[in-house]
Amino acid sequence: DTEVTQTPKHLVMGMTNKKSLKCEQHMGHRAMYWYKQKAKKPPELMFVYSYEKLSINESVPSRFSPECPNSSLLNLHLHALQPEDSALYLCASSQGHGENTEAFFGQGTRLTVV
Amino acid sequence: DAKTTQPPSMDCAEGRAANLPCNHSTISGNEYVYWYRQIHSQGPQYIIHGLKNNETNEMASLIITEDRKSSTLILPHATLRDTAVYYCTTTQAAGNKLTFGGGTRVLVKP
Repeated sequence: DTEVTQTPKHLVMGMTNKKSLKCEQHMGHRAMYWYKQKAKKPPELMFVYSYEKLSINESVPSRFSPECPNSSLLNLHLHALQPEDSALYLCASSQGHGENTEAFFGQGTRLTVV
Repeated sequence: DAKTTQPPSMDCAEGRAANLPCNHSTISGNEYVYWYRQIHSQGPQYIIHGLKNNETNEMASLIITEDRKSSTLILPHATLRDTAVYYCTTTQAAGNKLTFGGGTRVLVKP
């Protein structure tokens, strides 16, 4: 199984809503990532978890709150978002150690904030 | 991780080889060169990586210059399905900070 599964595929939320994005992998990977991608731009790194601990936070606003409940799951909790936060949110995972650090990406959640 | 520079776009004829350049002049000795591609509306897909030797797999070949300051990704026989944005990036072994530059938008034409 070389899949990274993200749910939901599409999400529309109001600026006062609280929602969560979910990501799951069963490859035994110990590094997991969240990216944000706006149209026609490259993915921007938001967070990295390594061995279930937050290792990188790229100065992301606190209205985005990541969580890694176990080595297979990664969540992104959303609260009080702004319309400019509308984007494709990508999850990825990689081995997290050793030479081969190629990342596997999910298909993303397309988020619209209204 | 080293900053990478790629041409913003290029066209390629179907069936011909596509050669995609990348400059990474500030790469350090323990950084690998990785290539990914992103087909429209999908998540990025790993293609190939290397440290200093040339590499080949079923998808592509990677040529890294001797001074490691640049590399070329070669798609040997481009198909219409290879139309995508191709990203060159560098990362340390076991390094987990994977970031993307602007990429090259490749259009394969019949």
